[in-house]
Amino acid sequence: GENVEQHPSTLSVQEGDSAVIKCTYSDSASNYFPWYKQELGKRPQLIIDIRSNVGEKKDQRIAVTLNKTAKHFSLHITETQPEDSAVYFCAASIVGGQNFVFGPGTRLSVLP
Amino acid sequence: EAGVAQSPRYKIIEKRQSVAFWCNPISGHATLYWYQQILGQGPKLLIQFQNNGVVDDSQLPKDRFSAERLKGVDSTLKIQPAKLEDSAVYLCASSVHRDFEQYFGPGTRLTVT
Repeated sequence: GENVEQHPSTLSVQEGDSAVIKCTYSDSASNYFPWYKQELGKRPQLIIDIRSNVGEKKDQRIAVTLNKTAKHFSLHITETQPEDSAVYFCAASIVGGQNFVFGPGTRLSVLP
Repeated sequence: EAGVAQSPRYKIIEKRQSVAFWCNPISGHATLYWYQQILGQGPKLLIQFQNNGVVDDSQLPKDRFSAERLKGVDSTLKIQPAKLEDSAVYLCASSVHRDFEQYFGPGTRLTVT
């Protein structure tokens, strides 16, 4: 089955700096890659997703890149703010929704 | 629109007891997911329903866990009997259809003593 790895497990950045989180996946059939943000004690919320027919997607300060050949994708957050502090999870699945697997998470701390 | 509802929010039971969780998805959402999230880990998919049919239950420990989604709306997840390692937050999520955004409920925090 699918296996998703995520690095780093913890990341601290200064406010205003950029943060990058990387994920790799094992199943070449996976073609849907969402990113979820989970604040302490709260439920995960989707922040951005990408499908395999595109290599990059942006939404304001957040961007995701996908390299299907290397089977990895990354989350980029620019101009980080304290409210970006949370745990970020990447995930991978096959279109059709099967085999939905989350990564282990990255705890991002944005220092003022 | 109302979000995904779950109950109870917290549950403490002893090992070998039984427990059931309930989920009411967002109205009109065809796909419903149950996840187990152990502290410090990512959510692990237990079972996925499309309407009232099972799409994926490959990671559901079927000897003790069961789930149903009668009439394609509400769903219940049951554990019988519970083990210490079942202590986790059980999250329910729903989406309009497969591979669309999943909306998560607040979760049920289960402690098995």
